[in-house]
Amino acid sequence: NAGVTQTPKFQVLKTGQSMTLQCAQDMNHNSMYWYRQDPGMGLRLIYYSASEGTTDKGEVPNGYNVSRLNKREFSLRLESAAPSQTSVYFCASAWDRNTEAFFGQGTRLTVV
Amino acid sequence: AQRVTQPEKLLSVFKGAPVELKCNYSYSGSPELFWYVQYSRQRLQLLLRHISRESIKGFTADLNKGETSFHLKKPFAQEEDSAMYYCALSLSGGSNYKLTFGKGTLLTVNP
Repeated sequence: NAGVTQTPKFQVLKTGQSMTLQCAQDMNHNSMYWYRQDPGMGLRLIYYSASEGTTDKGEVPNGYNVSRLNKREFSLRLESAAPSQTSVYFCASAWDRNTEAFFGQGTRLTVV
Repeated sequence: AQRVTQPEKLLSVFKGAPVELKCNYSYSGSPELFWYVQYSRQRLQLLLRHISRESIKGFTADLNKGETSFHLKKPFAQEEDSAMYYCALSLSGGSNYKLTFGKGTLLTVNP
């Protein structure tokens, strides 16, 4: 089983460039999430989608946009990258609040 | 607002010693609480959740609503337990819900 797949694994951007991080899950989960992981800050929620067609802001949404393209896919877009967005980004999905969330392998993004 | 607090960023113990990773939460409703673990170069994965009341890899965690805590415990730590541990809180508002994590505790088990 593929589970949660993120692309790309690594990316270097220049300040001001844009890019989209892709995430897909094959477990028919309703909810999907985007987190960023920074040293000493743990995992911070950027955006989440409780179901297809809905998205909501998390703790740190500024500078990001998301699209829940269909039930499988949830993309994260940086319109104008900034060095403060250098981080490891994780996508996750879950069936509901009582069940396990499955994580992707992460995308290591560096903005120079 | 919901919050998960893990007071220890780093915890170091010797093999065979007991270990306790602390987690406190703030939430006015009925929480769903989890412990996730991230081993070196691996994906974040579920360790255990409070509703199943299970023991995984020798770890247990008890939800104490009075103290709003969900501490993770293991009586005899092993070197392979060295990892980053995250406490997480799931809450819902209507049909939506989100999963909030603490800042994590890096556990090192020394030989």
